[in-house]
Amino acid sequence: DTEVTQTPKHLVMGMTNKKSLKCEQHMGHRAMYWYKQKAKKPPELMFVYSYEKLSINESVPSRFSPECPNSSLLNLHLHALQPEDSALYLCASSPTGWEIGNTIYFGEGSWLTVV
Amino acid sequence: AQSVTQPDIHITVSEGASLELRCNYSYGATPYLFWYVQSPGQGLQLLLKYFSGDTLVQGIKGFEAEFKRSQSSFNLRKPSVHWSDAAEYFCAVKSNFGNEKLTFGTGTRLTIIP
Repeated sequence: DTEVTQTPKHLVMGMTNKKSLKCEQHMGHRAMYWYKQKAKKPPELMFVYSYEKLSINESVPSRFSPECPNSSLLNLHLHALQPEDSALYLCASSPTGWEIGNTIYFGEGSWLTVV
Repeated sequence: AQSVTQPDIHITVSEGASLELRCNYSYGATPYLFWYVQSPGQGLQLLLKYFSGDTLVQGIKGFEAEFKRSQSSFNLRKPSVHWSDAAEYFCAVKSNFGNEKLTFGTGTRLTIIP
């Protein structure tokens, strides 16, 4: 089973709202990722957690705040977003980040619309 | 730095015809290479991957890809496409030094005509 589950599938939020995207995997993977994908573009890496610690932040604005409560869960907290932040947010996971050749598995994504 | 080029933005193929999607990478050593497919409104599904060994790799849904070091290429092929293959296809490269970063190409949109 290579399943990464994301909730909600769709989210509409105002620019003053606070919301969260959630991601869960039960494959024992110890690396988890957030990607952002705009229409007709490839996914862009936002954050990487390895062993529940933030290992990569691709200079993402602070209005996006990741959290990894345990090895199976990954959250993305959203606050004071802008309309240009509307996109598909993809969660992914992979076996231990430093294992050679590990494969990254993606969830179905959460569609975010900021109004 | 690693990079991936997919030279074809959009390809149209007749159902039942063969398919080849091109991918070229730039990396200082042998990279880890992947093909992902994304249907409209969906997440990314892994089609196949290459780490080492046999340069012809088989994937799901009847796809295969061939790693050619001399050409820095990892082209995706399918002998006979089905209407359900219409989607966006992404080639991706990952370093072999434990770096978690996966770098994607710009994608190729595949349209299937009856």
